[in-house]
Amino acid sequence: AQTVTQSQPEMSVQEAETVTLSCTYDTSESNYYLFWYKQPPSRQMILVIRQEAYKQQNATENRFSVNFQKAAKSFSLKISDSQLGDTAMYFCAFKHGGYQKVTFGTGTKLQVIP
Amino acid sequence: DSGVTQTPKHLITATGQRVTLRCSPRSGDLSVYWYQQSLDQGLQFLIHYYNGEERAKGNILERFSAQQFPDLHSELNLSSLELGDSALYFCASSASPGPYGYTFGSGTRLTVV
Repeated sequence: AQTVTQSQPEMSVQEAETVTLSCTYDTSESNYYLFWYKQPPSRQMILVIRQEAYKQQNATENRFSVNFQKAAKSFSLKISDSQLGDTAMYFCAFKHGGYQKVTFGTGTKLQVIP
Repeated sequence: DSGVTQTPKHLITATGQRVTLRCSPRSGDLSVYWYQQSLDQGLQFLIHYYNGEERAKGNILERFSAQQFPDLHSELNLSSLELGDSALYFCASSASPGPYGYTFGSGTRLTVV
């Protein structure tokens, strides 16, 4: 079974600074997808960014980008120009191809400090 | 509004009782997934339905059951409730296989007293 590990339970960053959240995963499959979800205090789960394993180019969505290292099975999230609204729990997630379920990591609680 | 509707938003009930959580997926999505999130914990996969059929089961207790109806809405039934069942229950839907993540509902906060 695949596993997703987030080794940083909590992090903080100054407003306007850059922060990187780490994630590693384990799988023997070659076809899979990776995601970062954000869960603000409202508890709503919001998809931040996704990466397809067969794509070498790192995904980018505005201030959010990933560093996908397939050989190392690493998928980190970089948040640039951090904003107060980025304060949230961030979950790294993994999905095999097809209709497979998404497996979530345990989350990193990010606090953006004014 | 994500397009995935979960009702009720909050539910308080006593131990030993039975409750039903409801989910309407985003229009066009055939897959519905249920997850449980206990306080400050990650999301634990419970069950997946696709177009009315059960596709996968996770760590779902025997006291819990689910189904997906012909109109694609889904219900999660929790019975003989215990204090430890208190959690946020999420429903999520997805369009099809492939690189799509989930669209989540806003969750049902269940408190068992």
